[in-house]
Amino acid sequence: SQTIHQWPATLVQPVGSPLSLECTVEGTSNPNLYWYRQAAGRGLQLLFYSVGIGQISSEVPQNLSASRPQDRQFILSSKKLLLSDSGFYLCAWSLLGGTQPQHFGDGTRLSIL
Amino acid sequence: TQLLEQSPQFLSIQEGENLTVYCNSSSVFSSLQWYRQEPGEGPVLLVTVVTGGEVKKLKRLTFQFGDARKDSSLHITAAQPGDTGLYLCAGARSNDYKLSFGAGTTVTVRA
Repeated sequence: SQTIHQWPATLVQPVGSPLSLECTVEGTSNPNLYWYRQAAGRGLQLLFYSVGIGQISSEVPQNLSASRPQDRQFILSSKKLLLSDSGFYLCAWSLLGGTQPQHFGDGTRLSIL
Repeated sequence: TQLLEQSPQFLSIQEGENLTVYCNSSSVFSSLQWYRQEPGEGPVLLVTVVTGGEVKKLKRLTFQFGDARKDSSLHITAAQPGDTGLYLCAGARSNDYKLSFGAGTTVTVRA
């Protein structure tokens, strides 16, 4: 069966510090991968998605970036965090095809001080 | 602006009551998905509806996809405290790798 791992679960970072959040998927090949940000109790804002190694599509201009160095690894990064980067970050995977359901990790709660 | 509008934003009911959550759009979707999310966790898929007019039932939950494939509803019969959570609808369009999520409905079922 397929599983998705996302870490860390919580992170507290000072303004201006770098960021690296990692997401890995097991049990499937060539998945679509997604990074979302969620405000408290609200819907999901798509940040990045990838349909293959090295292929990244950005949805929202910001100081974040994403990379997919391996087929089942998706990384969200920033060189300098802003206060507005605080939030709940979710990674998800799906089979190829946009109509396929997405399967989410447990998220990372990021607090910027 | 949100492609999918969910209503209401908040819903608080007593155990045993029924509730309905709505998901509306002016766009046509090839499929509509419903997720439930608990605090501190990722959303979990409840159902996918793909045919206009389709009705799916999962125990006490009934999902309906509008005939024109622009809207959907989730009805819960005899709600229980375990139904508490954030309910999200998400629409998929053909030839698109992305889902469009609604802003969510927070449901609280009081014992």
